[in-house]
Amino acid sequence: DAMVIQNPRYQVTQFGKPVTLSCSQTLNHNVMYWYQQKSSQAPKLLFHYYDKDFNNEADTPDNFQSRRPNTSFCFLDIRSPGLGDAAMYLCATSSRTGVTNEKLFFGSGTQLSVL
Amino acid sequence: DQQVKQNSPSLSVQEGRISILNCDYTNSMFDYFLWYKKYPAEGPTFLISISSIKDKNEDGRFTVFLNKSAKHLSLHIVPSQPGDSAVYFCAAKKDSNYQLIWGAGTKLIIKP
Repeated sequence: DAMVIQNPRYQVTQFGKPVTLSCSQTLNHNVMYWYQQKSSQAPKLLFHYYDKDFNNEADTPDNFQSRRPNTSFCFLDIRSPGLGDAAMYLCATSSRTGVTNEKLFFGSGTQLSVL
Repeated sequence: DQQVKQNSPSLSVQEGRISILNCDYTNSMFDYFLWYKKYPAEGPTFLISISSIKDKNEDGRFTVFLNKSAKHLSLHIVPSQPGDSAVYFCAAKKDSNYQLIWGAGTKLIIKP
């Protein structure tokens, strides 16, 4: 089945130690998103790639970076995780062709803990 | 500034009865609305959507109603089943903008 896969499901890192979360998709979608979700809150968009074009949200901290080496893969790098970065990180994809009512397809998320 | 609000953090409904989840929005430019369902330890999955040119969209047990004048939409699930227990997110967007604006979610609990 075509899907969005996130690895790992659970990630524990130390305060200040760089960590990378990964996402892959078999849907061949041209857009990939990274969301941060904290308990009982709405998902917060960090950034997205539209093909190779990187779009950063204005309030995304510089501590968060992303790479998309090809259509199928996208990575979220947290350069120096703080305690406040502990959250669920959700990867999503969509097929955007012009201005359309696109639907997002989500992975299962990576729950990040910072010790 | 919360543009999409789900004022009920949780809702408990008897199995077989109707579940009604509500969502309010403030931006009159929103023209497309979606509901997503999320189980614990999984990502959200798309449930149903509605365009602002409609006031109702139905898909099996799920119906979404849109009241543009009140800036209010609701999701009706009937009959409610145990598998419907999940967190439901309302989201909205403007056609000219890619970004989805999300509500904080409502946790639906279906009691046997």
